[in-house]
Amino acid sequence: DADVTQTPRNRITKTGKRIMLECSQTKGHDRMYWYRQDPGLGLRLIYYSFDVKDINKGEISDGYSVSRQAQAKFSLSLESAIPNQTALYFCATSEASGSSYNEQFFGPGTRLTVL
Amino acid sequence: AQTVTQSQPEMSVQEAETVTLSCTYDTSESNYYLFWYKQPPSRQMILVIRQEAYKQQNATENRFSVNFQKAAKSFSLKISDSQLGDTAMYFCAFMKHRSFGNEKLTFGTGTRLTIIP
Repeated sequence: DADVTQTPRNRITKTGKRIMLECSQTKGHDRMYWYRQDPGLGLRLIYYSFDVKDINKGEISDGYSVSRQAQAKFSLSLESAIPNQTALYFCATSEASGSSYNEQFFGPGTRLTVL
Repeated sequence: AQTVTQSQPEMSVQEAETVTLSCTYDTSESNYYLFWYKQPPSRQMILVIRQEAYKQQNATENRFSVNFQKAAKSFSLKISDSQLGDTAMYFCAFMKHRSFGNEKLTFGTGTRLTIIP
């Protein structure tokens, strides 16, 4: 089984609808991230959480909200989806170890299309 | 803020040849990490190689190696003996050393590499 899973894998929705993307991990990591990938723009950070009680905005958080329901679960919500939120969304996790570097492990991505 | 620039949107090379992907970055930090990620058609993000800025020796992972020029803020990826499975989007990414704050990845815009049979 995959260590980082995302549901759904693909979703088509309409403008104005509320959408939730879910991320679960079995790696036991404290830190979780949501990124958005757009053609020609690379991946950009939306939100990140360093533990259940610590949630922070990334560089493009407008129009999004998140919920860290448990150490293993981190959900991304679009309260009222708009077409320019059409993108590929990635969840990632990392440890909070004492080392100088903690690798981020990515989920398989969710392709979201807003019509 | 950090920025990462990949100036080659697309590249192609014949199978078994060597190809180099370019990346430049801008930062005021003295210690940080640089990465190359591979994204094949499956969409999965796969870490290819990592370089620590305080290490002068260039990182190598099998057929993948980097040319890290700290003063020039350049971090290129060389793929030797290219294979069809190397066809993918490649992203260069930057992360500050954890002692300098939160660990967030800053990505470049990507280079789409096609290996031609």
